[in-house]
Amino acid sequence: AQSVTQLGSHVSVSEGALVLLRCNYSSSVPPYLFWYVQYPNQGLQLLLKYTSAATLVKGINGFEAEFKKSETSFHLTKPSAHMSDAAEYFCADGGSEKLVFGKGTKLTVNP
Amino acid sequence: GAGVSQTPSNKVTEKGKYVELRCDPISGHTALYWYRQSLGQGPEFLIYFQGTGAADDSGLPNDRFFAVRPEGSVSTLKIQRTERGDSAVYLCASSLSGGYQETQYFGPGTRLLVL
Repeated sequence: AQSVTQLGSHVSVSEGALVLLRCNYSSSVPPYLFWYVQYPNQGLQLLLKYTSAATLVKGINGFEAEFKKSETSFHLTKPSAHMSDAAEYFCADGGSEKLVFGKGTKLTVNP
Repeated sequence: GAGVSQTPSNKVTEKGKYVELRCDPISGHTALYWYRQSLGQGPEFLIYFQGTGAADDSGLPNDRFFAVRPEGSVSTLKIQRTERGDSAVYLCASSLSGGYQETQYFGPGTRLLVL
């Protein structure tokens, strides 16, 4: 059965610092991995998705993620955090049509 | 173009009552999904429609939950005899044709509170 684990329910960084949000997947079929962002009182917005065309995926707002099969990981990074990045981030596996989500990581950006 | 819309945005009801939650998908999208997001959790799959039919309803927690999509567009999630544990944000998403690589586009959700 698919599962997605996001290490760290809360991550706090300073403005301008590196953002690293961790995601590990467990799937018996090839994963189709997504990162979504959720701002307060809003729906989920797609940041990026892995489709096997390239292991390094670039998304919106300067985010990128690298698929590492050997580590079953798809960590999300951004070189320099901005205050507007404060939100909750969800990793999801779509390998079986329905999305299986991790529990989410809430990112706080300190001035 | 218009995104996925959900009504109402908030719903407060009493234990034991019946509620209906509506989802309007993106025009032309044949696949429609319902998810439930409890506090501090990621969204959990409930049901997936391909056109008018439920292709996968394995996520519905029990027979109090039912969903329809009679014309292959708007969908309604129905909850009978609501319980306090049903309190959550109910999210709807749609995608163009339902393939597992496709991006699902989410609505803002309906926040349900059962007193």
